Amino acid sequence: NAGVTQTPKFQVLKTGQSMTLQCAQDMNHEYMSWYRQDPGMGLRLIHYSVGAGITDQGEVPNGYNVSRSTTEDFPLRLLSAAPSQTSVYFCASSYGGTGNTIYFGEGSWLTVV
Amino acid sequence: QQQVKQSPQSLIVQKGGISIINCAYENTAFDYFPWYQQFPGKGPALLIAIRPDVSEKKEGRFTISFNKSAKQFSLHIMDSQPGDSATYFCAAQIWGKLQFGAGTQVVVTP
Repeated sequence: NAGVTQTPKFQVLKTGQSMTLQCAQDMNHEYMSWYRQDPGMGLRLIHYSVGAGITDQGEVPNGYNVSRSTTEDFPLRLLSAAPSQTSVYFCASSYGGTGNTIYFGEGSWLTVV
Repeated sequence: QQQVKQSPQSLIVQKGGISIINCAYENTAFDYFPWYQQFPGKGPALLIAIRPDVSEKKEGRFTISFNKSAKQFSLHIMDSQPGDSATYFCAAQIWGKLQFGAGTQVVVTP
């Protein structure tokens, strides 16, 4: 039972580089989302998707891009990395509707130097 | 702005004691209120959750109390154990999206 799988676990980027954080879920969930976690701030929503081909912005979308071509995958792209994007990134998924548990991946630690 | 406010930032409790964490929310459109537990180096995991039409929910040593009119809810951890040492986040949920509180680091001393 894999659940929500994120890769890579750790990454160091130079300012200006681009990269993609991968997220896959095997629970046939419609909803998927990306959060970032910074000290003292809890988790904040970056982007989310309610199904293949449908995405929308969350609370902190600037500098990130997403697409959803399949139900299973929801990659997060950093277009031109900045030190302010140093954070821990979590992918999450759930069934649609009210009151369904949102499951999180193990996280991706990103450092931008 | 922080739509979900959580307090305290941290607390230390003796083994066997009670931990209480409080949260307040602004948006009445939220329709589900989960608590997540996070251990270092891991993702948040659902601990317990409540719907806004219920005033209390208990699962083992964990209880949520919910006050809809005051827009407040709290987590009580009874008989705290060293294994409960973790960071706890309250959240408010709508349409598969979560608004998190800032988190409470709980340390249970032996």
